[in-house]
Amino acid sequence: GQNIDQPTEMTATEGAIVQINCTYQTSGFNGLFWYQQHAGEAPTFLSYNVLDGLEEKGRFSSFLSRSKGYSYLLLKELQMKDSASYLCAGLYNFNKFYFGSGTKLNVKP
Amino acid sequence: EPEVTQTPSHQVTQMGQEVILRCVPISNHLYFYWYRQILGQKVEFLVSFYNNEISEKSEIFDDQFSVERPDGSNFTLKIRSTKLEDSAMYFCASSEPQGYEQFFGPGTRLTVL
Repeated sequence: GQNIDQPTEMTATEGAIVQINCTYQTSGFNGLFWYQQHAGEAPTFLSYNVLDGLEEKGRFSSFLSRSKGYSYLLLKELQMKDSASYLCAGLYNFNKFYFGSGTKLNVKP
Repeated sequence: EPEVTQTPSHQVTQMGQEVILRCVPISNHLYFYWYRQILGQKVEFLVSFYNNEISEKSEIFDDQFSVERPDGSNFTLKIRSTKLEDSAMYFCASSEPQGYEQFFGPGTRLTVL
């Protein structure tokens, strides 16, 4: 399968900004997804990038650089409820999805 | 708000038995997916399904697995001759156009004893 790499765990403070990075293999790549997953629950869709650049959606933004095989998820004005795992997933060959292991974000008061 | 549903929420089975996991995707969606997540590990793609046939399958999706859309609403994953290592959470997802937002069901936790 394709390697999708992201940090295992991050900690940030309520009200702050945090950036979660993701790198991926570019061969066969079509697009990059970000999901949020609370413990014991299903993933929920956050964003999808197919072109280079920044996609903004409220407090969450996602960036993609296809040439560098790099994406990040930016979370602003962190809230306690943002404590969750954030999953980076690549779409390959228009039909196959590969997930990273997820970044567990701990938001502290 | 429309949602993907899955039954059962928890299935316990003996090794070697067959299980069928059921999913009802969102009604106007055309693409369907199965994923699994072993406890504490990453989400793994199993299979995608469109127009009543498999679009793509992963290396995990071998002859032990099969999918079916038996009627206009259900989407099933059958696991034959279950093994201990099949114990995982199985998620179904559906989407409208290919490659866009996928809506995940709540999952079925499969425990193989």
